[in-house]
Amino acid sequence: GQQLNQSPQSMFIQEGEDVSMNCTSSSIFNTWLWYKQDPGEGPVLLIALYKAGELTSNGRLTAQFGITRKDSFLNISASIPSDVGIYFCAGKPSYGNKLVFGAGTILRVKS
Amino acid sequence: EAQVTQNPRYLITVTGKKLTVTCSQNMNHEYMSWYRQDPGLGLRQIYYSMNVEVTDKGDVPEGYKVSRKEKRNFPLILESPSPNQTSLYFCASSLSFGRGRAFFGQGTRLTVV
Repeated sequence: GQQLNQSPQSMFIQEGEDVSMNCTSSSIFNTWLWYKQDPGEGPVLLIALYKAGELTSNGRLTAQFGITRKDSFLNISASIPSDVGIYFCAGKPSYGNKLVFGAGTILRVKS
Repeated sequence: EAQVTQNPRYLITVTGKKLTVTCSQNMNHEYMSWYRQDPGLGLRQIYYSMNVEVTDKGDVPEGYKVSRKEKRNFPLILESPSPNQTSLYFCASSLSFGRGRAFFGQGTRLTVV
């Protein structure tokens, strides 16, 4: 099936640092979504992007839908301990009815 | 409270013994889907349903069945489970495919021995 390349695989950062992660695809996507998963829980939607070039913020989180429609990034500013978790990107290709997920970025924060 | 409810949360079973994982949503959502999560592979879609009586295969449908007889329920059936189906399973729903917030259940951890 179609794959999204998400990087980095994991990050171990100091509290207060900014974080950046991204996803790329070989084909065009119509929608990009960013989720966070806490241990023992299902993923929770953080930000949804629907238009190329769109830049959307949710508190300390900012995500962008790449101009080429083949990538997206998520930034977290001034990280705090509760940011710990797994972050997933997901995208809806321009064809079909499937939602494709990246492999996830594991974020650990050192306080 | 708007939610997606999966049962059971944990299940250990033996190879070949049929099992069903239930999924129910109370938001009148049209789109529902099942995913499995394995280390390093993220979430992979097993089956999805655009609406009642409309289901289709995702990326990893082998060994699974689903049904969508009512809008709120979308059970996942393993007719003859095998050890390679040991995984963490998530059900999700959204108002319609592609737009709107997707709600995930809390997950079902299945172990097949």
